[in-house]
Amino acid sequence: NAGVTQTPKFQVLKTGQSMTLQCAQDMNHEYMSWYRQDPGMGLRLIHYSVGAGITDQGEVPNGYNVSRSTTEDFPLRLLSAAPSQTSVYFCASSHRPTSGTGYEQYFGPGTRLTVT
Amino acid sequence: SQQGEEDPQALSIQEGENATMNCSYKTSINNLQWYRQNSGRGLVHLILIRSNEREKHSGRLRVTLDTSKKSSSLLITASRAADTASYFCATAPDRGRRALTFGSGTRLQVQP
Repeated sequence: NAGVTQTPKFQVLKTGQSMTLQCAQDMNHEYMSWYRQDPGMGLRLIHYSVGAGITDQGEVPNGYNVSRSTTEDFPLRLLSAAPSQTSVYFCASSHRPTSGTGYEQYFGPGTRLTVT
Repeated sequence: SQQGEEDPQALSIQEGENATMNCSYKTSINNLQWYRQNSGRGLVHLILIRSNEREKHSGRLRVTLDTSKKSSSLLITASRAADTASYFCATAPDRGRRALTFGSGTRLQVQP
């Protein structure tokens, strides 16, 4: 299994440009999430999905869109990039939690985005 | 706002010593998890402790959970240079949004 894959690894955008960060997983996980990590801070949840066709907002959703048309893919779209969106973006996936198990998350390697 | 807050923010120890990191959180949880992040990499899951558990072990890792104080600790025994990384706690809520909330992390440096 490749696990969770993210592309691209690095990206530089100009203010106002749009782009899509790709995330895919091959573990048949129901849950997928997008986080951003800024220096000195932990991960902040942007959007998440509990299954194909179902998405919800996290802590910091403004300026980002997501969709989940398949179980495997969960792309993150930046609509009009701003310098405040300079960050490292991580995608993660997990199985649906049940009463007997938690939901350990598996992370991709991250995308380092710079907006100038 | 961050649900989990780690303490200390940074920790430097010698190889062979034990490292203890603490995490405090604010709301009721289903479970608490610890993750490790090596520089420039994604996070890797280390251990999960459920709200009805008080202590859990995995190799050189020992995690405790005190739900009355809303706190957890991660102990790494006999540390190695390869343990150098940032460590994050993450809480899973017992209701509402089914997503983890991460703390700001502890940066551990183990000197050889």
